[in-house]
Order: sequence, then C-alpha cells, then structure tokens
Amino acid sequence: QVQLVESGGGVVQPGTSLRLSCAASRFNIRSYGMHWVRQAPGKGLEWVAIIYYDGSEKFYADSVKGRFAISRDNSRNTVYLQMNSLRDEDTAVYYCARDRELSYSDLWGRGTLVTVSS
Amino acid sequence: SYELTQPPSVSVSPGQTARITCSADAWPKPYVHWYQQKPGQAPVLVIYKDNERPSGIPERFSGSSSGTTVTLTISGVQAEDEADYYCQSADNTGTFWVFGGGTKLTVL
Repeated sequence: QVQLVESGGGVVQPGTSLRLSCAASRFNIRSYGMHWVRQAPGKGLEWVAIIYYDGSEKFYADSVKGRFAISRDNSRNTVYLQMNSLRDEDTAVYYCARDRELSYSDLWGRGTLVTVSS
Repeated sequence: SYELTQPPSVSVSPGQTARITCSADAWPKPYVHWYQQKPGQAPVLVIYKDNERPSGIPERFSGSSSGTTVTLTISGVQAEDEADYYCQSADNTGTFWVFGGGTKLTVL
C-alpha cells in the first residue's frame, strides 16, 4: 500500500550528527512536497521542515534553522533530514509527511525515534 | 507567525457529541486541518480545509468554521475515537506549518 517509512533514528550524544531517511512506497514523491514533523516524548506535534516537490525551496522551523537540512532524491523516492549539532531538546519521534497544496498532509510515516543524551 | 489554541482535554460518554475547538490568532483565518493520533501511532488526517473529510474517514467526523475558530465535531462518539486531536494550519505561502497544542479526547 501507499506508505512512508522512516529510518536512521538512534541514540546520539549532544553535538553530534544524524541523518534520517524517509522512503516512499507505491507512489512517486517527485509530484509532492515533503515535510518532517517531530514529537518530543509526551508532547505535541512540531513542524520541522518542508522541501518543495522539485527541491527548489526549503524552509525550516526557527528551532532547527542552521542546524538541520532537508533534501530529497527523487530517483530513490526518498527524502532526508540531516541533523547537525544535536541538542537534548531535539529528542523526539521524527515523522515524514506528504504535502498537499502546501497546506496539509494526507500521509504520514510511522516515525523514527531520535534520542540525544550524554 | 501565529498560534492555534485548543483545549487540553474534552470528555464525553459513548454516543454523545464531542466538539473540539481550535482558535487562530490570525486574520484572515487560514484553512485549518485536523489529525487524530492514537498512542504509539502516526497522525491520521480526519478533516482538511476546515470541513472536508478524506475518503475512509467515518461520517461522524465533521468540521465547521466561524470567524477565527474552527470546530471538529464527532457525532455519536465511539470508544475507538479516544485519541489526541491536533489542529494544524499553514501560513499563506505554505512555507511553515503551525500545530495546536492538541486535545485529549476521553470517552468515558
């Protein structure tokens, strides 16, 4: 079925880097913008970043700007989130989500957990 | 940027109607969308563009808008509807999203 599968999460120390991947199945991401959204343990949803369908535009939440980078490889049907200079407060489940009309998402992955801890 | 404000919790008995509000401090109010999230699961879109229902979502889920407040209504609540509900909106250029703080719906 149509789905998104995130991977790459794990336990890392503050100040280090991690790259998350989001692989799409049964649909072609080249037609869609893609987002990353995160959720700290026991907290609400926080939008992280968007990349337009063709990669021409990328935007970030203030909390990650300058540290995180979103990218995509349409030939691999995969979206990435490069996370640098990780902080304790970046600990969260990271979801990728398919954009519709630059407005909402109709498809989410199951998420991957990132834990930043010394 | 702007904020979306939701009540932290709503409780209803099975078969009753649950109403969850989302107030935007922006004018004109952008479209608001609603997601249901059950423990340990990814969010699921239940209402988009204030009052549109995606295919596969039960008809008991509906949305409405008045001024800067949008309401998610669940008619004839069932035990399976117990979940966290988040409203979400985007700025008018689609360059960033905002989420409400979430409302925990408890079915008594």
